[in-house]
Amino acid sequence: NAGVMQNPRHLVRRRGQEARLRCSPMKGHSHVYWYRQLPEEGLKFMVYLQKENIIDESGMPKERFSAEFPKEGPSILRIQQVVRGDSAAYFCASSPTGMDSPLHFGNGTRLTVT
Amino acid sequence: LAKTTQPISMDSYEGQEVNITCSHNNIATNDYITWYQQFPSQGPRFIIQGYKTKVTNEVASLFIPADRKSSTLSLPRVSLSDTAVYYCLVGDMSDNFNKFYFGSGTKLNVKP
Repeated sequence: NAGVMQNPRHLVRRRGQEARLRCSPMKGHSHVYWYRQLPEEGLKFMVYLQKENIIDESGMPKERFSAEFPKEGPSILRIQQVVRGDSAAYFCASSPTGMDSPLHFGNGTRLTVT
Repeated sequence: LAKTTQPISMDSYEGQEVNITCSHNNIATNDYITWYQQFPSQGPRFIIQGYKTKVTNEVASLFIPADRKSSTLSLPRVSLSDTAVYYCLVGDMSDNFNKFYFGSGTKLNVKP
């Protein structure tokens, strides 16, 4: 059973470009979470989605960031007009039932903005 | 969400037992305590979860006193491969969403 798959593993963007990060949850998991981790810091919650619904986006910046989890296909975290401060590791996690089961994390996408 | 406090770092030697304590004074009735392990360049990995008293699995034990204001992750006979960051999370299991907050964790360094 494949784990949570994130791609790309590394992404380099110039300031002002768009970054699209993909996450395929574990099979049978319909709950997806995105976290951001700056170097030497802990993970910060960004957004929680279920299929076709955003449940909680309280950790996501109001501008330039958006997330979706369509009925078919992976969850996408989209960052428009990237700035240097967006450089970080972005982790996706999934769970089968939400709050009563542990999170299964992917190995992240490392975004570097030049 | 209950705020957690952990030591920033700990050193140990191979073969020793390591105990990492997490303080969560404001833990709520419905909160569970969960520990994750993170290696460099990888996502966190679930280790153990508990509500009260003691929980043990093949990897670790989790000790939770009666007042639940703290918890201790115990790693028996650590090896070099246990060098990682360990996160203590406290979350409300009754809410219909999950936004466990990962603090800075405890960086465990296991020496030969």
